Parts: sequence; C-alpha cells; structure tokens
Amino acid sequence: EAGVAQSPRYKIIEKRQSVAFWCNPISGHATLYWYQQILGQGPKLLIQFQNNGVVDDSQLPKDRFSAERLKGVDSTLKIQPAKLEDSAVYLCASSLGGTGLYEQYFGPGTRLTVT
Amino acid sequence: AQSVTQLGSHVSVSEGALVLLRCNYSSSVPPYLFWYVQYPNQGLQLLLKYTTGATLVKGINGFEAEFKKSETSFHLTKPSAHMSDAAEYFCAVFTGTASKLTFGTGTRLQVTL
Repeated sequence: EAGVAQSPRYKIIEKRQSVAFWCNPISGHATLYWYQQILGQGPKLLIQFQNNGVVDDSQLPKDRFSAERLKGVDSTLKIQPAKLEDSAVYLCASSLGGTGLYEQYFGPGTRLTVT
Repeated sequence: AQSVTQLGSHVSVSEGALVLLRCNYSSSVPPYLFWYVQYPNQGLQLLLKYTTGATLVKGINGFEAEFKKSETSFHLTKPSAHMSDAAEYFCAVFTGTASKLTFGTGTRLQVTL
C-alpha cells in the first residue's frame, strides 16, 4: 500500500514570495490533515478536510494561508506572502475517518525555509 | 482544553538499558493517547495508542505505555534500548471535545554504545 506522498521535499524562498505544497493521501482515506511543525515543537494542526469539505481550520492563518482539496483526493496548501516565521516542516496526514479511533498516516513532509 | 507535557527534550541511554520517556496530559474528558516516532527527514509513525480498556498498551518495536488516570500520565517504556531506537518521540492526546490531535514538544532519544 502506497503511503502519503508530498512534494516538494524541500523549498527555499524569500519572504513575501508565495509557495505551494502538494499532498496525495492514501487511497480511500476520507480525512486529510495539514500540520505545521516548527523546529523544536510538535506538529500543530492547520486544517482538516473530510472528503472535500473543511472540518477545522481554526489555526490556519487565513490572511496568508489557503488550502483546498479538490474532488476529495489530492490537496494543496499555499502560503502567500510568506514570512520568516513560516519556516517549518509542513506535514500532510490522512486517515479513514476523523475520530481518534482512526490512525493518522503521515507523509515525509516539506521543509520550508524562508529567508 | 487539552494539552500534553513531555518532560525532557533530550534523553540519552546506553544500548541495552531501559528507555523511559515521560508524558503527562491535561484533559477534562476521557482522552485517547498516542505515541508517535519520527526518524530524521521522515514523517511520524504511530507506535501505540490507548483508547479504552486495558491500560497497558503494547506497540511496535517492543515499546509499551501505561495509562494512569490518577497521575494523568502515559509514559513510554522499552526494556532494552537498541541503536535503531534513536529518534524523536511525540506524545499526543485526542478528545471528542477538541476533535483533533494535540502533540507534545517531543523528546529526542539518543542511544549510545
């Protein structure tokens, strides 16, 4: 079974530029998550999708971050414009369902450096 | 609100020694508790989880954890450390109230010869 795929793996941009990350979840997984992991911290949930609808985006900085999950499969996370504090690893995860009973499977992440 | 505290950002043990990684949680409702492991440049992998039932939970790679409600703890142990256990370990809590995983800040485990 293929795991969660993410691209790119690494990205370096200057502040005020824009960037986009892509995630392909495990086939059949209805729930998709984007996490931000700042160095030295645990992952923090940015947004959760159930199929192509947003379940929780309470911690997404909506003035600069946006995410979509077209057709309930792949997802993209965009930052525009980027700030220095956005430097982090962005993790995508998927699960069969959105309750804690379902295991979340994580992709390898995209390491973003904003200079 | 739910939260997790991991005591010790770095833990070093000798190969063959006991591994003990500490996790305390805060939750106003019964929690689900998780331990994840993260190897360098990789995503998180689930080690074990507690939902309901038996409070001693066994996971992969010889790890286990015990849910102690009275102590609000979910410490991770392994009787004998192996070099391949060197990684970052995250404790996490999920409740139906918050409906999301909240992670601790992680503990980096170093295993020495």
